[in-house]
Amino acid sequence: SQQGEEDPQALSIQEGENATMNCSYKTSINNLQWYRQNSGRGLVHLILIRSNEREKHSGRLRVTLDTSKKSSSLLITASRAADTASYFCATPGRGGKLIFGQGTTLQVKP
Amino acid sequence: DAGITQSPRHKVTETGTPVTLRCHQTENHRYMYWYRQDPGHGLRLIHYSYGVKDTDKGEVSDGYSVSRSKTEDFLLTLESATSSQTSVYFCAISEDPSAGYTFGSGTRLTVV
Repeated sequence: SQQGEEDPQALSIQEGENATMNCSYKTSINNLQWYRQNSGRGLVHLILIRSNEREKHSGRLRVTLDTSKKSSSLLITASRAADTASYFCATPGRGGKLIFGQGTTLQVKP
Repeated sequence: DAGITQSPRHKVTETGTPVTLRCHQTENHRYMYWYRQDPGHGLRLIHYSYGVKDTDKGEVSDGYSVSRSKTEDFLLTLESATSSQTSVYFCAISEDPSAGYTFGSGTRLTVV
């Protein structure tokens, strides 16, 4: 089944630094989505990028998509302690299902 | 999250007992999903629904059943709970899956 695989599994940075997370997937997609999960909470939809888009911005978030390499990256600029969370990419499967990767755990140290 | 609630939030149950988790939405969304989240496995789809009385299996459906008798409620039943079903269970809803999901806050289930 198509599945996003995030890299790295864990990332620790200082406040103010940029954080980059990568996602690779296996089959053709029409969009790729990123979600954030704070500890003990449900996932929150962050941003969606369509297959005909190469880059998308939302506030301090920048997402890129390279369909030739079947990969996406999520960049968080000027990170804050509140960005500490797990980040997941998700790709659509058949029947309206989303397939999630295992996530990247980001720790932002004050 | 607004529009979607899961109950209970926490439950401890004994091996072999049936357990039902409830997902309730007020958004009138067509699609509803049950995922489980475990360390090292990420989120795995258990069952999903694409309409009232229309359900289908996900990748880890063994030992689980679901029912959706009305738009707002999607029930997940563990027919005979086992320790391997100790997990955090998340419900999600969507009107347009290609646009994203809204997740509930989760149910932490412990089977002893």
